[in-house]
Amino acid sequence: TQLLEQSPQFLSIQEGENLTVYCNSSSVFSSLQWYRQEPGEGPVLLVTVVTGGEVKKLKRLTFQFGDARKDSSLHITAAQTGDTGLYLCAGAPGDAGNMLTFGGGTRLMVKP
Amino acid sequence: ETGVTQSPTHLIKTRGQQVTLRCSSQSGHNTVSWYQQALGQGPQFIFQYYREEENGRGNFPPRFSGLQFPNYSSELNVNALELDDSALYLCASSSRDRGPFFRETQYFGPGTRLLVL
Repeated sequence: TQLLEQSPQFLSIQEGENLTVYCNSSSVFSSLQWYRQEPGEGPVLLVTVVTGGEVKKLKRLTFQFGDARKDSSLHITAAQTGDTGLYLCAGAPGDAGNMLTFGGGTRLMVKP
Repeated sequence: ETGVTQSPTHLIKTRGQQVTLRCSSQSGHNTVSWYQQALGQGPQFIFQYYREEENGRGNFPPRFSGLQFPNYSSELNVNALELDDSALYLCASSSRDRGPFFRETQYFGPGTRLLVL
């Protein structure tokens, strides 16, 4: 069974601060995705990383896939109140298409 | 392009009852996946349907079953409901025929929140 562990589970910061969320596994994934979920809604895809060592940037968000494709991180620079939400990482196993294994999520609260 | 829709939005059932949840996939998508998200946790994969056939299954008992119809919409059925089945049930659609499957974006619906009393 492939597991993804996210840390921290909860994060409360002030607007303007930086933060990093981690997603770790002992298993190799063919791709890793990051989602954001708002209350009452389904997860919305932020990014997919596929190549070991890959770094992708989405405005103030930087995503990195580990060299061994077992871990990933999400870094937010100068957080804004609009970044508040549940951040989920999800891995796609190499032989199982896009049947995703999700991490437990990081609930981020950015205070004004 | 119509997004993924799910019905109903909320549902209350009692232990032992049966429930059917419905999902309409995004236009042009032929694959539907179902996930269960317990409160405060990440979603867990239940099963996936591709062109009306079950294509893969997570660690869920047989009382969780599904269907996919020719128009690629889908149903999730849960028999003999238990208290632990209380969760948000998410449906996600994608298209399997356009390249490496693990690259295909899944689009999630808003979910059905099920409460079992």
